[in-house]
Amino acid sequence: DQQVKQNSPSLSVQEGRISILNCDYTNSMFDYFLWYKKYPAEGPTFLISISSIKDKNEDGRFTVFLNKSAKHLSLHIVPSQPGDSAVYFCAGLMDSNYQLIWGAGTKLIIKP
Amino acid sequence: GAGVSQTPSNKVTEKGKYVELRCDPISGHTALYWYRQSLGQGPEFLIYFQGTGAADDSGLPNDRFFAVRPEGSVSTLKIQRTERGDSAVYLCASSPQLAEGDEQFFGPGTRLTVL
Repeated sequence: DQQVKQNSPSLSVQEGRISILNCDYTNSMFDYFLWYKKYPAEGPTFLISISSIKDKNEDGRFTVFLNKSAKHLSLHIVPSQPGDSAVYFCAGLMDSNYQLIWGAGTKLIIKP
Repeated sequence: GAGVSQTPSNKVTEKGKYVELRCDPISGHTALYWYRQSLGQGPEFLIYFQGTGAADDSGLPNDRFFAVRPEGSVSTLKIQRTERGDSAVYLCASSPQLAEGDEQFFGPGTRLTVL
C-alpha cells in the first residue's frame, strides 16, 4: 500500500524551462512533506519542505505547492539547469513519527 | 565538516551469511536513521535511534535484522542468515535531534548483494 506516489518515472525538460514534478499521497495524517534530490552513487540530499498548514514554500529556483484537498503536491524548478538532472523523491512525515515515507522517485533529465 | 559516512560501500555475500553495515553520523547528531532502497523504489524506513536507544524499530522486516548504537554515535546494522531478497542499498541518515521537519542528512549508502 503506497502512501506516497510519484507516478512519473522520468521527465525530460529543456534547459531554461520550468520542471514540474508531481507527488500524490493517500494518508491525510502527514504533517510535513519533503523533497530530496539524489545523484547516482550518492545519498539523497534535502531540497525543500512544506508544512501541511501551508500551501506554498519557495526557496530560490525551487517552489513546492501543496493541495491538501486533492492530496497532491508539486515541485517547480525554474529555470531548469543541467545540474538539476537527478532523481527527485517526495517524502511524507507524520506528527511525532520520524519515519520518512517515500515515493518511488522521478528521474529528471535537463536537455541542453 | 564531514558528512555521514558508511562502510563498506559495497558488500557481496552468500546466502545464509552474516553481515554488518556501519554508519558514522555527523558529529553531534543525536538522531540516526536506517533505510533500505530496492531497485526502482524509494527508500524504506527500517529503524531510528535517539541517542543510544532505538526509538522506533517498526520498519525492521523480521528478526534477522538488528541494529545497535552503543555509544550514541556510530551505528551498526546487522543481518543474520542473509537472503537474496535482502539485496538493496542500505542508507543511513542523521539529524541534530529528533524533530519533526528536521532535515535528515544521508550517507552514500552500502550496496548489499546476496548471491
